[in-house]
Amino acid sequence: DPKIIQKPKYLVAVTGSEKILICEQYLGHNAMYWYRQSAKKPLEFMFSYSYQKLMDNQTASSRFQPQSSKKNHLDLQITALKPDDSATYFCASSQGLGTSQNTLYFGAGTRLSVL
Amino acid sequence: GQQVQQSPASLVLQEGENAELQCNFSSTATRLQWFYQRPGGSLVSLLSNPSGTKHTGRLTSTTVTKERRGSLHISSSQITDSGTYLCAMEYNAGAKLTFGGGTRLTVRP
Repeated sequence: DPKIIQKPKYLVAVTGSEKILICEQYLGHNAMYWYRQSAKKPLEFMFSYSYQKLMDNQTASSRFQPQSSKKNHLDLQITALKPDDSATYFCASSQGLGTSQNTLYFGAGTRLSVL
Repeated sequence: GQQVQQSPASLVLQEGENAELQCNFSSTATRLQWFYQRPGGSLVSLLSNPSGTKHTGRLTSTTVTKERRGSLHISSSQITDSGTYLCAMEYNAGAKLTFGGGTRLTVRP
């Protein structure tokens, strides 16, 4: 059974719309992350959270807003969608923040296509 | 900025052959990690190796930090090893990983 659940698996949106990507982890982890993988770029870090607090934000655009309603949830709201936002968005988690002492676990991803 | 380069971009092997994947990074990192990305897209952590050599099963990771390079050796490749292998660097013991573009491995019967 997958321990990190991402919903939906596939998402098609029109330019200018807003979508929320859902992520829940059932590993009891305290740190959660979002990464993005597009056809043209390697997997890239977006955000890290620890105990529901934002620890690092490497996303230049404020159109991307993570939301953590519970310790095991980290959703990603994307507003004013653009075709360049098309990518697979991966949620990940680890026991503690950082991977020096912790293994990073990934969800299966949400593939977003913006038309 | 920090960059991670992987080579080769793709590799085709016959079952049973060994694979050698390379990773070069642009600045001194605290830790090199290897991930496997399944054809369906999900990622699995394989090895975390700050320096030296580390083994797990048929995988051997070697990291030479001073030379800013690492490698992943897969012995006796199997068809199920097919997929993309990603090298990732952690800098300054932070949470952010910087990934390379990956090596796509295809193992044929």
